[in-house]
Amino acid sequence: GENVEQHPSTLSVQEGDSAVIKCTYSDSASNYFPWYKQELGKGPQLIIDIRSNVGEKKDQRIAVTLNKTAKHFSLHITETQPEDSAVYFCAAAHSGGYQKVTFGIGTKLQVIP
Amino acid sequence: DVKVTQSSRYLVKRTGEKVFLECVQDMDHENMFWYRQDPGLGLRLIYFSYDVKMKEKGDIPEGYSVSREKKERFSLILESASTNQTSMYLCASRRRDRGPHEQYFGPGTRLTVT
Repeated sequence: GENVEQHPSTLSVQEGDSAVIKCTYSDSASNYFPWYKQELGKGPQLIIDIRSNVGEKKDQRIAVTLNKTAKHFSLHITETQPEDSAVYFCAAAHSGGYQKVTFGIGTKLQVIP
Repeated sequence: DVKVTQSSRYLVKRTGEKVFLECVQDMDHENMFWYRQDPGLGLRLIYFSYDVKMKEKGDIPEGYSVSREKKERFSLILESASTNQTSMYLCASRRRDRGPHEQYFGPGTRLTVT
C-alpha cells in the first residue's frame, strides 16, 4: 500500500518568513496530492491540492510542488502570519479502486509574531 | 457550506464499555469515513462507507464496527472499549463524483478510555 512520509514534525518560523514542509510517497499510482490544515479544536480542512500532471500550483501565499520522478511533493507558505499556525497534513491518493487517501504524520507549524 | 457534525467533542468511557460515536453530514454525500488521529501517526482510516448499508474496512478496523442505516449518518462502534482506543476520532464525508481528497471533516471526538 501507499506510504507517505512527512517532515519536519514541528516547525517554528518568524512572522513574515517562509515555511516549507516536505513529503514523499511510495505508490507510483497515486495521482492526487492534497494538503490539509487543522486548526486547534477543528477537523482538517483541504487547502490546496496538486495533480500528477502538474508540477507546481499557487494560491496566494501558498504553493505546492510535485516531482513525480523522485516521488516528492512540498508545501511552501510565504509571508507567514500568526493565523497560519496549525497542523498541516500532506496526503496521497489515487482515483482508482477505493480512492483511499493516505496521510502523513503532520507538521505543527508555529508562526512567532 | 458542508457541515459534518459529531455527537460529542469529549467522551470518557471505562474499559469494556460499548461506545457509540455518531457522525451526521447535511450535504447528501454518498461516502463517509472514520479516522483516528494519534500524535506521530497522522490520520489512519478505520472504516468507510460508499452508500447506505455498505461498509469497507480501512487500515485499522480491529476492535471497531460501523453502521450506516441512513445516508446522512455514519456510526462508529467500539464493542468493548480498551485503553489503546484512547484517541481523537474524526469523521469525514465526500461526494462520490468528486476527487478522493475532497473530504470534509467534522471537528472530532476526543475519546478517553480509563
